[in-house]
Amino acid sequence: DAMVIQNPRYQVTQFGKPVTLSCSQTLNHNVMYWYQQKSSQAPKLLFHYYDKDFNNEADTPDNFQSRRPNTSFCFLDIRSPGLGDAAMYLCATSSRPGQGRDEAFFGQGTRLTVV
Amino acid sequence: AQSVTQPDIHITVSEGASLELRCNYSYGATPYLFWYVQSPGQGLQLLLKYFSGDTLVQGIKGFEAEFKRSQSSFNLRKPSVHWSDAAEYFCAVGDAGNNRKLIWGLGTSLAVNP
Repeated sequence: DAMVIQNPRYQVTQFGKPVTLSCSQTLNHNVMYWYQQKSSQAPKLLFHYYDKDFNNEADTPDNFQSRRPNTSFCFLDIRSPGLGDAAMYLCATSSRPGQGRDEAFFGQGTRLTVV
Repeated sequence: AQSVTQPDIHITVSEGASLELRCNYSYGATPYLFWYVQSPGQGLQLLLKYFSGDTLVQGIKGFEAEFKRSQSSFNLRKPSVHWSDAAEYFCAVGDAGNNRKLIWGLGTSLAVNP
């Protein structure tokens, strides 16, 4: 059974039109992460939530925001997508903060296309 | 600064052949080391991890990796590759100085010839 579920799998949005990607988890993990992965590159951490505490990476553009209304759900909002934001967006969870401490469980990702 | 290097961008092997994917890290203390696999269009799945203890680590899907402190390496191996192993493989280290943030290598793309 899928434990980290991302919807949709594929998303096409217009340049500058706000878009929201969603992630849900059945693991009851405290920590949820959002990564951006461009073609042939390693995942790049955008931010993470530890419970309700939001932790932004220093180099994450302001164009990217996140919400976590409850333990199970986390959303990635891109306020004004540019062509450079086309990428695979990965959601992941772990039981404790610091992805390098415990196994991180990843969703299948959402492939975002900006037209 | 901590870093992870995967020297091979792309590797092609024949089905049934053995495989070794290289990973070198730069890290001051004992690292937490991971190998993740990403099938095309999919998320990442943990293959194995090393935190401490036995330096030869067994993972899922028949993979193993050996931590060699003297060489700062954590190479991934499989004795006999299957066509379904074709994927992108990422090595990562947990940075203890940064709340164990994962530092990723750039990945090695594995192709398997029938």
